[in-house]
Order: sequence, then structure tokens, then C-alpha cells
Amino acid sequence: NAGVTQTPKFQVLKTGQSMTLQCAQDMNHEYMSWYRQDPGMGLRLIHYSVGAGITDQGEVPNGYNVSRSTTEDFPLRLLSAAPSQTSVYFCASSGRGGGGYTFGSGTRLTVV
Amino acid sequence: TQLLEQSPQFLSIQEGENLTVYCNSSSVFSSLQWYRQEPGEGPVLLVTVVTGGEVKKLKRLTFQFGDARKDSSLHITAAQPGDTGLYLCAGAYGAQKLVFGQGTRLTINP
Repeated sequence: NAGVTQTPKFQVLKTGQSMTLQCAQDMNHEYMSWYRQDPGMGLRLIHYSVGAGITDQGEVPNGYNVSRSTTEDFPLRLLSAAPSQTSVYFCASSGRGGGGYTFGSGTRLTVV
Repeated sequence: TQLLEQSPQFLSIQEGENLTVYCNSSSVFSSLQWYRQEPGEGPVLLVTVVTGGEVKKLKRLTFQFGDARKDSSLHITAAQPGDTGLYLCAGAYGAQKLVFGQGTRLTINP
């Protein structure tokens, strides 16, 4: 049982480049979210989804896009990378019962 | 905007001591979740408390949800070096969106 799988684990981008962070879960969870974690600021919600075809913005959505065409996948797209997007990104999923989230192991992104 | 204040941010104590971590907010949450995070890994769920006044125990860890569902605490009894890590509280609101506290970095010295 893989849980939540994130790829890649590490990535270095140049300012202005675009990329997609992949996230897949095999638990048939309805809810999926993307967070970024920065020192001293905890985890902040970027985008979330309550089911296939439904997404909404979180606390810090600017510069990021998401889509959810299937229950399993929830990719996060950086449109034009900026140094301020240097962070650790986590994808998480949860069932409808609200029992808590399962997190992936994260993607460490550096924008130079 | 939902805010969750977690304290203390850093805590270093000796093995065998007791400690309490607090999460406070002016907002009401549908549940309060506690996670533990190891370096290089994602947070791992420890417990979810849902009902105001609820108390849950996980071995030496005791979690409490405030009566008004605005605050929570984590109490560790007889701390051990294996308890060392980053502890995060998270309040759930709306469609299971989470707002996280800043985290408590706990170090237990042998």
C-alpha cells in the first residue's frame, strides 16, 4: 500500500522556468491538498480538492495551478518559478470522514 | 483568516520530565489534528479530536480538545529520547481544509 506518492523528491529550477510536481494516492480518498513548508511558518495551504473535477484556492495560491482529472492524481504546476517559491512541498489526502490526512514525503524545490 | 498559535516553538528537556504543548485560536474548528514530523519526511498523523472537551490517550501522550473547540493541548508524560521531533497541530475547517500551527521542535536529552 503506497499511500501518497510525490515526485520528484528534489528539484532545482531557474527563475522563470515552469514545472509540475506530481502527486498520486491509492487510498481512494476524496480530499487532496497541496501545502508548502517554510522555516518558522509551518505548513500553508496552496490548493485543495474535494473530488475529481473540483478544486479551490487555499491560503497562498498565487503562482500555482492545479487540476484534478482523476481521484488518484493531483498535480501542482508552477507557472513561472520565482525564488520566493523555494520551499518544501507536501501533498496530502484524506477520506470524507475527516479522520486526518496522509502526507507524502515531500518535494524539496530550489529556485535560483 | 484562520490562525492557530502553537507554543512553545522550541522545547528541550531531560528524559523523564513531563511537558505540554499548546495550540490556541479564536476560531472554532470541526476537528483538531496532531502530527509528528521527522527530518526529510512528511507529517504523520498522531490523533484527531472532534468533540469539545474530548481527551484521547496514545501511550504516554494525552491530547485534549477545548470545550469550545478553539484550542488543544498535547501532554507527554515521562518523555523519552524517541519522542524527539517536530510536533504540529492543525485545525480543520470548511471542506477539511487545515490550518497549521508553527510547530514545536521538541528535543529530549538522555
